Amino acid sequence: AQTVTQSQPEMSVQEAETVTLSCTYDTSESDYYLFWYKQPPSRQMILVIRQEAYKQQNATENRFSVNFQKAAKSFSLKISDSQLGDAAMYFCAYRSAMGGGADGLTFGKGTHLIIQP
Amino acid sequence: EAQVTQNPRYLITVTGKKLTVTCSQNMNHEYMSWYRQDPGLGLRQIYYSMNVEVTDKGDVPEGYKVSRKEKRNFPLILESPSPNQTSLYFCASSPHLGATEAFFGQGTRLTVV
Repeated sequence: AQTVTQSQPEMSVQEAETVTLSCTYDTSESDYYLFWYKQPPSRQMILVIRQEAYKQQNATENRFSVNFQKAAKSFSLKISDSQLGDAAMYFCAYRSAMGGGADGLTFGKGTHLIIQP
Repeated sequence: EAQVTQNPRYLITVTGKKLTVTCSQNMNHEYMSWYRQDPGLGLRQIYYSMNVEVTDKGDVPEGYKVSRKEKRNFPLILESPSPNQTSLYFCASSPHLGATEAFFGQGTRLTVV
């Protein structure tokens, strides 16, 4: 079974600065997807960014980028120019591309990101 | 608008009183699932469905039931709720098995007293 570990329960950053959230995972599969979801106080789960394991290039979405290290099984999220609206719980998630079994998302326990004005 | 709709958003109930949380998607997705979110535990999958009349257990299925009689609907049933089922519940759907993205409902905050 796959596991996802987020070792930082809480992070704090000054507005306009850069912050990196860590995520590691464990899997024996070679083909999978990785995601970062944002959950603001509204509780809505919002997809921030996704990475296909077969792609070597790191995914980027505006101020959000990832550092995907497949051999190290690491998938960190970098938020540049942090804004007050970035304050939320962030979840790292894994999904198999094999299409078998439960095929669900395996989530980490989350990192609570605080933005200091 | 493409969306996953859960109802109710908030529910307070008493131990043992059967309840159903509804989930509906308008995207013709094959794959649907239920998660529960608890502090310090992240989200964990309860049940999933790969298509109509095809359902199976996820990681934490005890105390829950589901059905998939129509493609768009995937209700979560608690036959005899207990306080340890107090949680935030999410329904999610994906176009098909192995799709890259899941679409989440707004969440249902359930309290069992």
